[in-house]
Amino acid sequence: NAGVTQTPKFQVLKTGQSMTLQCAQDMNHNSMYWYRQDPGMGLRLIYYSASEGTTDKGEVPNGYNVSRLNKREFSLRLESAAPSQTSVYFCASKTHGGVNEQFFGPGTRLTVL
Amino acid sequence: DQQVKQNSPSLSVQEGRISILNCDYTNSMFDYFLWYKKYPAEGPTFLISISSIKDKNEDGRFTVFLNKSAKHLSLHIVPSQPGDSAVYFCAARSIQGAQKLVFGQGTRLTINP
Repeated sequence: NAGVTQTPKFQVLKTGQSMTLQCAQDMNHNSMYWYRQDPGMGLRLIYYSASEGTTDKGEVPNGYNVSRLNKREFSLRLESAAPSQTSVYFCASKTHGGVNEQFFGPGTRLTVL
Repeated sequence: DQQVKQNSPSLSVQEGRISILNCDYTNSMFDYFLWYKKYPAEGPTFLISISSIKDKNEDGRFTVFLNKSAKHLSLHIVPSQPGDSAVYFCAARSIQGAQKLVFGQGTRLTINP
């Protein structure tokens, strides 16, 4: 079991460029999440998908879009990157119901110049 | 507004002694609390949780205490070991948003030999 995988690990973009962060999980989890981590801010939820076919905004959705491609995959897209989107991005997943233990991927470090 | 707060950005403890990490919250609708541990360049990993109907949960060297009247929880690590050096995040789940977690800013724990 690979758990939650994220690609790429690192990325440098210029302002205005677009990119998609990929996330996949092999634990047959229903729910998937995208967070960003910034110094002194903790983990902030960008978007989540409670189940295949549904997506909802989190705390900081502006400038991002998501796609729940299937049960395994949940991608995050930056259509026009801005320096304020420089951050470390984490994908997470969990089973439906029960204790809300989320399993996290290793993260993608994104720098927007 | 910051619903989950970890007011100490960092904490330094001598090996073998007790580490106490604190977390305060403002939302009375939180019904479950979790602690995550994060090493550099890795995703957070689940450590321990507690339901709002309990005041203590213990797992080996880790104990979480919940004081609902004060809206405060703490994580005790006894005895502290060098491998415990990491960033610790407190997180909470709301009855109203059971699929989501709200994270604190994190506390960097350093265990000194």
